[in-house]
Amino acid sequence: KNEVEQSPQNLTAQEGEFITINCSYSVGISALHWLQQHPGGGIVSLFMLSSGKKKHGRLIATINIQEKHSSLHITASHPRDSAVYICAAASYNTDKLIFGTGTRLQVFP
Amino acid sequence: NAGVMQNPRHLVRRRGQEARLRCSPMKGHSHVYWYRQLPEEGLKFMVYLQKENIIDESGMPKERFSAEFPKEGPSILRIQQVVRGDSAAYFCASSPGTGLKDTQYFGPGTRLTVL
Repeated sequence: KNEVEQSPQNLTAQEGEFITINCSYSVGISALHWLQQHPGGGIVSLFMLSSGKKKHGRLIATINIQEKHSSLHITASHPRDSAVYICAAASYNTDKLIFGTGTRLQVFP
Repeated sequence: NAGVMQNPRHLVRRRGQEARLRCSPMKGHSHVYWYRQLPEEGLKFMVYLQKENIIDESGMPKERFSAEFPKEGPSILRIQQVVRGDSAAYFCASSPGTGLKDTQYFGPGTRLTVL
């Protein structure tokens, strides 16, 4: 069993839909990261959180430390949101990242 | 303030050659992480370095791979005697090193192809 599990693996949506991607982890963490990887391969850090909720534009990330679970939400999705979304647990001692397998999102107009 | 820089962006090597991948962290950042993404697979941690020190190399293959982050200059990931299975995207990330829970900033990656 992977230390960081994501679901779903693939997700398609119509423009405007509300999207949720889930992440569960089994290791002790200092923080949980959400990353975005575009088709060109570049990686952008979206959020780093260790408790509660963070919001940036149409993106919202939440974490429940007791349940070892985090969610990434996209409101009013747009085709430009199409990418792979990766959650990563930062190791408690060193901050090295343990990655989930990613969720490939495609948003159609 | 330039972001994390990696070069080359693309590198082609023949089996048995050496590959040297460079990573210049963001200005003021003293922590560097290297990650590898094999084709159709997820990202995997390789090594974590601070200036002149390897902190955690638990993800590095035991042979042929080495990394350094000298006092001056970029961090270098070195792969000796490359094999086809080394073909992958190699990303580095840097953080300021102010403590745990630092955001890591990723470079654009180096795509290594071994012929």
